[in-house]
This record gives sequence, structure tokens and C-alpha cells, in this order.
Amino acid sequence: DAGVTQSPTHLIKTRGQHVTLRCSPISGHKSVSWYQQVLGQGPQFIFQYYEKEERGRGNFPDRFSARQFPNYSSELNVNALLLGDSALYLCASRGLAGPTDTQYFGPGTRLTVL
Amino acid sequence: AQTVTQSQPEMSVQEAETVTLSCTYDTSESNYYLFWYKQPPSRQMILVIRQEAYKQQNATENRFSVNFQKAAKSFSLKISDSQLGDTAMYFCAFRMGRAQKLVFGQGTRLTINP
Repeated sequence: DAGVTQSPTHLIKTRGQHVTLRCSPISGHKSVSWYQQVLGQGPQFIFQYYEKEERGRGNFPDRFSARQFPNYSSELNVNALLLGDSALYLCASRGLAGPTDTQYFGPGTRLTVL
Repeated sequence: AQTVTQSQPEMSVQEAETVTLSCTYDTSESNYYLFWYKQPPSRQMILVIRQEAYKQQNATENRFSVNFQKAAKSFSLKISDSQLGDTAMYFCAFRMGRAQKLVFGQGTRLTINP
């Protein structure tokens, strides 16, 4: 089975632009979470979606938004890009119900803002 | 708020040696889960091992084992018979019982030398 996939792999934008990152979860997984990983740091939680509804939001400005589609894929949108938004954006999907489930991560999208 | 601290930014050992990575966390919750993730240069975040807080027995996965000290809020990872492929960033992560948000530490860069 395919793992979590993300596109694009790399992206270069300039300040003020908008960006859309995409994630496809493992088949059968209904929950998708997004994390931002700045170089040299651990990932920071941005959003979690389950069954197309937002179930959690981290401490990120309103410039960050996301949505989940009927096929459980997800998009992360960032408006008015800042230099500080340069990071690796990770998507993770969850499968089994219950608290002992595991989040599986995709390879990430490397965003560079110039 | 929960916090996770990894006090060793970098470690280096010879192949076949045993190495222990440290992690401490801070929470007032009683129901939570702890994880060690590995992130090789390929950027893919891979689950190494997980521990449920209500279980007293330390988790093991082949060459990987943890020393979970709940009262001390300590969760160290031991890698036995280290291999070159173990070279990666290692992140300790915490999750409350039913939440999906993972809280990560800053990471430890582990290098296994031939």
C-alpha cells in the first residue's frame, strides 16, 4: 500500500505570495494532520482534520488555513507568505480508531520563501 | 502546556555500540503517549517506538527499547548494536490521551560511525 504522499516536493515562493500544499493519506485513513518543521527544530502542530472537519489548531496565524476533501486528501494554504514561513511542511495520517493509533508521516514539502 | 526536552543536540558512536538518547517531558495529565520518531536525511519521519503511560512495562522493538520513568517524567531511547542506517535525527514526542496533536522535542542528531 502507498504511504502518505505530499506534493510538491519543493516549492520556492516570494514574500506576499500564496501557496497550496497537498497531502493524500494512506488508503482508509480519515484523519490528516499538518506540521511545520523549521530547520533545526522539531515539528510544530498546525492543524488536524477528521472526517472533513477541523478537530485541532495550533498556534499559527490566520494566514494558515486547511481543508479536507471527501476522499480525505487535504490542502494546506498559506497566504501573504513571510520569510519565516520557510520550512518543511509535514502531513501525517491516522488510521485505527482509539488512542493507541499511530500517525504516519509523508516525506514533506520543502517551502522556501525569498 | 506540555513540553518535551531533548538535552543532547548531537551524539556520535561507533557501529555496533549501544547508545542512549535522553528525553524529559512536562505534563499534569495522567493519560498520555510517548513516541520516538527517526528522521533520516530523506526527511521521512518514521515511528521507532511508542509507550502508553499506563503501561509499566518498557516498550521494545528489536534493537530499540525505552526506559520509561513516569515519576521522573523521563523517556530515554536505547539503541543496541547500532548500525550505519541508524544515522538520523531522533525526535521524542508526546501526545495526550485522545488528542492528535504531537508535541515534539528539539531532536538529537545521531551519527553512527563505521
